[in-house]
Amino acid sequence: GESVGLHLPTLSVQEGDNSIINCAYSNSASDYFIWYKQESGKGPQFIIDIRSNMDKRQGQRVTVLLNKTVKHLSLQIAATQPGDSAVYFCAECRLLAGNQFYFGTGTSLTVIP
Amino acid sequence: GAVVSQHPSWVICKSGTSVKIECRSLDFQATTMFWYRQFPKQSLMLMATSNEGSKATYEQGVEKDKFLINHASLTLSTLTVTSAHPEDSSFYICSAVDPRQSNYGYTFGSGTRLTVV
Repeated sequence: GESVGLHLPTLSVQEGDNSIINCAYSNSASDYFIWYKQESGKGPQFIIDIRSNMDKRQGQRVTVLLNKTVKHLSLQIAATQPGDSAVYFCAECRLLAGNQFYFGTGTSLTVIP
Repeated sequence: GAVVSQHPSWVICKSGTSVKIECRSLDFQATTMFWYRQFPKQSLMLMATSNEGSKATYEQGVEKDKFLINHASLTLSTLTVTSAHPEDSSFYICSAVDPRQSNYGYTFGSGTRLTVV
């Protein structure tokens, strides 16, 4: 499958600060990306998505940025809360090639109260 | 919202036995489901795409005779780990696409932790 990796395996932030989690992907044909959050012992949960024809998308407290030139994604979490502590994965997909999602390495986010 | 249920959530089996894991979409029909495995502190690795009424599509390097997938109905896919060995111990997660959702993301099950002793 495609190779999708993250720069930082762990990240610790103070409660209330903003968090930035990065992801690099290798397949320039990928046209859809999702950030997932996974808590220990559970399946991943959808956070936010972005199509390749966009470079920014905002949700509630989260923003995803896409830079297709360097094949880079980032997830920004505003005013990080203790409940944000989890592992975050980016996943990439080619919608017209079967809709399979390939996951990156993951970043473990720890929020310090 | 969409719910995907997995059963069992945790199973311990002896080496050499086979284990079946069920994945059900509870409130929507899923023509396609996906099976992942995840080792501790690692990412999710796509194993196969399960297609209702037809053969599963396996990712490169995944043994189809080892990991049998059956998608007999629009709400149920099963993964059978045959002749399980300790190296098959892992967290297995299924997912499905809810056609009612506006995004193309999966809804994931809660996972099955398999321990082979």
